Amino acid sequence: GDSVTQMEGPVTLSEEAFLTINCTYTATGYPSLFWYVQYPGEGLQLLLKATKADDKGSNKGFEATYRKETTSFHLEKGSVQVSDSAVYFCALSDPNYGGSQGNLIFGKGTKLSVKP
Amino acid sequence: DAGVTQSPTHLIKTRGQQVTLRCSPISGHKSVSWYQQVLGQGPQFIFQYYEKEERGRGNFPDRFSARQFPNYSSELNVNALLLGDSALYLCASSSGTDLLSNFGSGTRLTVV
Repeated sequence: GDSVTQMEGPVTLSEEAFLTINCTYTATGYPSLFWYVQYPGEGLQLLLKATKADDKGSNKGFEATYRKETTSFHLEKGSVQVSDSAVYFCALSDPNYGGSQGNLIFGKGTKLSVKP
Repeated sequence: DAGVTQSPTHLIKTRGQQVTLRCSPISGHKSVSWYQQVLGQGPQFIFQYYEKEERGRGNFPDRFSARQFPNYSSELNVNALLLGDSALYLCASSSGTDLLSNFGSGTRLTVV
């Protein structure tokens, strides 16, 4: 079945460092891909999304490109801030899976800690 | 505009009890989905409802049930609670198209 695999955390970086969080997926159809962020004690916030191959999602300095050939959707940011400390989840939505367009399949999450 | 609202925010129940969690979608949204997030894991899909009908179900036992009301709010019911049901339960709403983006802050359920 469909699945999402994220790099293991935690990831600890210094402020202004470059961030990459790897995400690869397995899907039977042509999924939409998402990155969500979860701050401590809160629910999920959509960070960015891409709906087809070669699309680039971007928001708040974060970017990810939908790579169909490598089934990847890696999250990047050029210069992280302390306020970026959170757990990041890669997810996919495959309308061919589970009979529902509302079925998001999440990775296990990657905890990012940014030190001043 | 109010976002997705969930109640209660925290809940403690005893094994074997039953619990009902509530979700109000964003105004105008007709689809509600429920997810379970166990500590340290990603959310797992439980149900999706659209226009008061079940449109999707994840791999959860029959102890889990849900419904959607005419105003599009939703309830998730869990019977015969187990310790393993302790989790953050998240609700998400959408207008009915495919790209979910609006999650509530969740209900933290602790089963003792």
